[in-house]
Amino acid sequence: SQKIEQNSEALNIQEGKTATLTCNYTNYSPAYLQWYRQDPGRGPVFLLLIRENEKEKRKERLKVTFDTTLKQSLFHITASQPADSATYLCALSNTGNQFYFGTGTSLTVIP
Amino acid sequence: DAGVIQSPRHEVTEMGQEVTLRCKPISGHDYLFWYRQTMMRGLELLIYFNNNVPIDDSGMPEDRFSAKMPNASFSTLKIQPSEPRDSAVYFCASSPRDRAYNEQFFGPGTRLTVL
Repeated sequence: SQKIEQNSEALNIQEGKTATLTCNYTNYSPAYLQWYRQDPGRGPVFLLLIRENEKEKRKERLKVTFDTTLKQSLFHITASQPADSATYLCALSNTGNQFYFGTGTSLTVIP
Repeated sequence: DAGVIQSPRHEVTEMGQEVTLRCKPISGHDYLFWYRQTMMRGLELLIYFNNNVPIDDSGMPEDRFSAKMPNASFSTLKIQPSEPRDSAVYFCASSPRDRAYNEQFFGPGTRLTVL
């Protein structure tokens, strides 16, 4: 079955720096990859979708890359702010209907 | 729109009792998903519906779990009988038809504790 791994440890960075989160997968060939943000006690909130034929996608301070050869997606937050502190989840799908989620990476931006 | 609505927000019950979780998706959304989230296993897809029809329930852990969607505005997830290992946060999410490849809108979740 598919395996999706995100940074196993929490990530702490200084305000203003770029945060880079990793999503690696095996036994899978997703056509779609999403990133979500989840705050404590709340449901995940969609951030970005990238398709297998897209190498990179940007939205404001967010940038996502999708390397199907390395089986990896990188999620960047530039000029990070304390308000960016949350857990970030990647989700993969080969049909676009069912998405399988990673366990998430906890990000803390230190003022 | 109020977003996806789930009830109850918290449920504490004893082992062996029946538990029913409820979800109201966003109006006009044709897809509805039920997920379970735990620290150990993360966010797991249990079942999803398209136009009120169950499409894939392969994530439902065992026969104790069942889900229904009697109409476009309501779905239930039932656990009978409940066990302590069912303790988790259960999320409902919906997605509009033409954007099924895109975002899912999650509800606030139901935190279930089975004693």
